This record gives sequence, C-alpha cells and structure tokens, in this order.
Amino acid sequence: AQTVTQSQPEMSVQEAETVTLSCTYDTSESDYYLFWYKQPPSRQMILVIRQEAYKQQNATENRFSVNFQKAAKSFSLKISDSQLGDAAMYFCAYRSAISNSGYALNFGKGTSLLVTP
Amino acid sequence: GAVVSQHPSWVICKSGTSVKIECRSLDFQATTMFWYRQFPKQSLMLMATSNEGSKATYEQGVEKDKFLINHASLTLSTLTVTSAHPEDSSFYICSARWMSYGYTFGSGTRLTVV
Repeated sequence: AQTVTQSQPEMSVQEAETVTLSCTYDTSESDYYLFWYKQPPSRQMILVIRQEAYKQQNATENRFSVNFQKAAKSFSLKISDSQLGDAAMYFCAYRSAISNSGYALNFGKGTSLLVTP
Repeated sequence: GAVVSQHPSWVICKSGTSVKIECRSLDFQATTMFWYRQFPKQSLMLMATSNEGSKATYEQGVEKDKFLINHASLTLSTLTVTSAHPEDSSFYICSARWMSYGYTFGSGTRLTVV
C-alpha cells in the first residue's frame, strides 16, 4: 500500500503570512491523484486542492497552491496570506489510478495548523 | 452538489448493544462508499469500501462481523456496529466517490459506548 508521510505534526503561522505544509508519498505507480483536505474543529472534511500526477503544472486555488515534485514524490501545500479561518488539521491524501484499490483515499497523519493574530 | 448526509451526528449507546450509522447521497448516485474511523487528533483510517449491490471489502484488521456494512441502494449505505464495546468509541466518517476523482464526505458520527 502507498504510504503518505506528513512530517510536521504541528505548524504555526501568523495572520497574513505564508506557510508551507509538507507531504511525501511512496508509490511505484506512474498515474495517481494527490489531495489536500482541511478538517476544521467541526471535523467536516473539506477539499483544499487536487493534483493529477500526469499534469506537470502545479495546481492552485486562490490562496492555496501546491509544489508537486513527481520525481521526489513530494506534494507540499503553500497557504498564502493566512487567515484565522485557515486554522485546522490538514491531511494529504493519495489515490491510485488502479481500480483494484477501490479508489479509496489513503491519508497521511495530518498537520495541525495554528494561525495567530 | 454532491452532498452526503450522515446520521446521527453523535450517539451514546450501552455496551453490548448495536448502533447503525447512515450515509445518504442527496443529489447523486454513490456507487462506491468508503467508511473511515478517526481517533482524536489522528488520521482517517479506511475500514471498508462498499459498492452498491455487492459485499463490502474490509481492510485488514477490521472485524467484518462487528462492523456490518450494507449498501443496498445507490443513495444509502449503512454501518452497523454490533455488540459495541467502549473500545469501539470513535469518530466514524463516510465518503462517497463521485465523478472520476471527486470525493464528498459525511459530517461524521461520534460514537460513545458506555
């Protein structure tokens, strides 16, 4: 099974500053999908951003962008102009393109992001 | 679009009883539903994958007889925790796949077994 590693259990950022959350993964597959999900205190999972492995261009969604390094198997999330509402648990997730996995998401352990005023 | 409604949001049950958690896809047909378990401040651990009309596929280490999953229709999947014990207390989340690589999550169920 693919392993997703988030090496930062906790991160802190000041409001309006930029923070980068790291994620690495282990796979032998060439085609797959990567995701960042946010889980606020309500515990509702919210999609932040998604990246298809076959796309070289890094995905961006407003203040959120990724640095996808396929060869290095790295998928970091950059949050610009951090806001208090960004405080949450962030999970990196991997999805195989092969159907025998059922297309389930495989999550990392998460990074707790604290945003200070 | 692509909303999954999960109920109940929290439940307390006595040890030895069973509890059922429902996940309904409101505006799409969920051919595949995933069930996760999440301990406090930990990751989501996949318990099983269910496909409409067929038996669920359980992850290694998950007791099939304790965690019964039924996916009898394209809009409803249920997880029944049978003979619940305090160690089954956890946060359970369902997730449905829609489109090719879109996933939507239920709001979760906090189960406390006393």
